[in-house]
Amino acid sequence: EADIYQTPRYLVIGTGKKITLECSQTMGHDKMYWYQQDPGMELHLIHYSYGVNSTEKGDLSSESTVSRIRTEHFPLTLESARPSHTSQYLCASSEPTTGRHEAFFGQGTRLTVV
Amino acid sequence: KNQVEQSPQSLIILEGKNCTLQCNYTVSPFSNLRWYKQDTGRGPVSLTIMTFSENTKSNGRYTATLDADTKQSSLHITASQLSDSASYICVVSDRGSTLGRLYFGRGTQLTVWP
Repeated sequence: EADIYQTPRYLVIGTGKKITLECSQTMGHDKMYWYQQDPGMELHLIHYSYGVNSTEKGDLSSESTVSRIRTEHFPLTLESARPSHTSQYLCASSEPTTGRHEAFFGQGTRLTVV
Repeated sequence: KNQVEQSPQSLIILEGKNCTLQCNYTVSPFSNLRWYKQDTGRGPVSLTIMTFSENTKSNGRYTATLDADTKQSSLHITASQLSDSASYICVVSDRGSTLGRLYFGRGTQLTVWP
């Protein structure tokens, strides 16, 4: 079982609020990812990181920002939440060795902005 | 353009029956292909992962096949159970970058009825 955790699992918040979604893994993985997934749709990569102090934007444009100060921690922040940010956010990490890139996912955070 | 297409979009079967889910991809250069199971409201969990040289991989009642020449994969589920009801996602990784970019299909929503 993968040791990657996301908090909170569910969040309902008002428009304009600042929020931070937490993601932590205890597997020592260098690579971490944030995906956004709407119901019945595929996952879209919004941010990724190769390691500490490395962050890149993904394929889907997002108003969120991320940081990677510690290997095990990859939080995602929305400075001013909007209803269009309502979605499920999934965090993942992958093995440090090249080749298999096995990815492990957290349980996700279901965000609703009202 | 790198893409992953899955079929059918949804499937309903009776408990105890077998089923096969399909995945076609155009990702190049190919690194590996995995099948994930995603329960509603949860993160994806890996079922199988296959590299270029592997053409079949089993995990209990789940058997995945890969034809790298035709760029097709299938996931066969035998003796289905109610707990198999979930979305099954095909994910293909490329080896054109150090990230090992993941390309996601939209998933097949499987419902198993008693």
